[in-house]
Formats: sequence, structure tokens, C-alpha cells
Amino acid sequence: QSALTQPASVSGSPGQSITISCTGTTTYVGRYSFVSWYQQRPGEAPKLIFSGDNKRPSGISDRFSGSKSGDTASLTISGLQAEDEATYFCCLGAGSDTIFGAGTKLTVL
Amino acid sequence: DVRLVQSGAEVKKPGDSLRISCKTSGYTFTSWWIGWVRQRPGKGLEWMGNIYPGDSDTRYSPSFQGQVTISADKSSTTAYLQWNSLKASDTAMYYCVRPVGVYESHIHYISRFDLWGQGTLVNVSS
Repeated sequence: QSALTQPASVSGSPGQSITISCTGTTTYVGRYSFVSWYQQRPGEAPKLIFSGDNKRPSGISDRFSGSKSGDTASLTISGLQAEDEATYFCCLGAGSDTIFGAGTKLTVL
Repeated sequence: DVRLVQSGAEVKKPGDSLRISCKTSGYTFTSWWIGWVRQRPGKGLEWMGNIYPGDSDTRYSPSFQGQVTISADKSSTTAYLQWNSLKASDTAMYYCVRPVGVYESHIHYISRFDLWGQGTLVNVSS
């Protein structure tokens, strides 16, 4: 079974930009249209914030953007705000299975 | 308003059976896949499986095949997740999700989970 690797934690100050990476095998992450990102604040259900095929859902700030290079997908959050403090999960639809990364905890300093 | 509303928290003993539910509203139930995601305490997300209520086509993650049963009732627009014999390791939050996917070369790929229920906490303890 393939795995997606994310950093355990990242941090940034208000107003800064941060990037969270999600690395897998080229065979899978190469299918960028099947990569999606979710935000989970403590005590809440996850929420879709970006996907490779449909970009940002309605109501999600344009401060969230995604990209891909080789076998790594990335989520960038610009203009960090206190409300962005949460855990972020990447996800890949890989046919017979759908895989999540272990999550990256974002701390806004 | 499109919504997924899940049943309440459950406390069970090992060996018990259990069925939790996800009531959908605001969209055509039979035209979209619906599925389940597990989150163990303090851990990450795990996709369990999906069902297409229109024809009952059901897909399971290899990790959950044979461990749970996913079903759907078109008359009540409700999806279910069922266990026949719970284990302590089933203790987790379970989320109902609406997957969006595409078929390529006869394989179904999920591109995103665009809706999530509020979660159902299942606690299995002796």
C-alpha cells in the first residue's frame, strides 16, 4: 500500500505564507486531479479546502492554493491568520484505495 | 441546504454489534456516492469504503474489507456503517462523507470528499 508523507508540524507568524508538502510515489501523486486537502480544527470534522480537480470549494478563502511538482503535492496558505491554526491532511484517490497523509499541525505563532 | 447528519455517540462492549447512521438531505441521494472515514483518538484519517445508493455498488478499502458493512436505504436517504462484533480497536470517531469521483479505464478514482458529517464517536470498552 502506498503512503503519503507530510511533515508533522509547521509554524508561521500572522501575515506570513507557509507551505505543507505531501509526498508519495510518482505513479500516484502524479495523478494530481485526485489530490485533495482538508482542514481539521480541534473538535471539528474535517473540511475540504482544495482539490486538484476542482480547486477551492465555495466559501474557502483564496489564501489557500495547491500545486504539484514531481511526486510532491503542496498546499500553500498565504497571509496566515490565527483561524488557520489546525491540522491539514492531504488525500489521494488511488483507485482500489484512497489514502490520507498523517496530517500536519499548523501553529500560528 | 445539503447536509449529512450522523447518529449519536455509542458506548459498547467488545463482541457487541452496532449500526450507525448518516441521514442525508438537500441532494439526490441515488446520484452520489457516500462513504465513511475513521479517525482513531489523536490519529489521522482512514478511508473505509463507499456505496453508490443508485445501484448499491459498494467498494471497501483493503484495510476494512470483511471488517464492516456499508449499506444505504433509498427510501430514507440514509447510509449505514455496521459491525457484527466490535473490538476495542474500533474505538474511534467515524465520519460520513460524500465522495466525488471519476471513472478512468473502468477504475473509480475519488478526487475529493466534498461533504462531511459531524462525526459519530464509538467507544468500545469492557
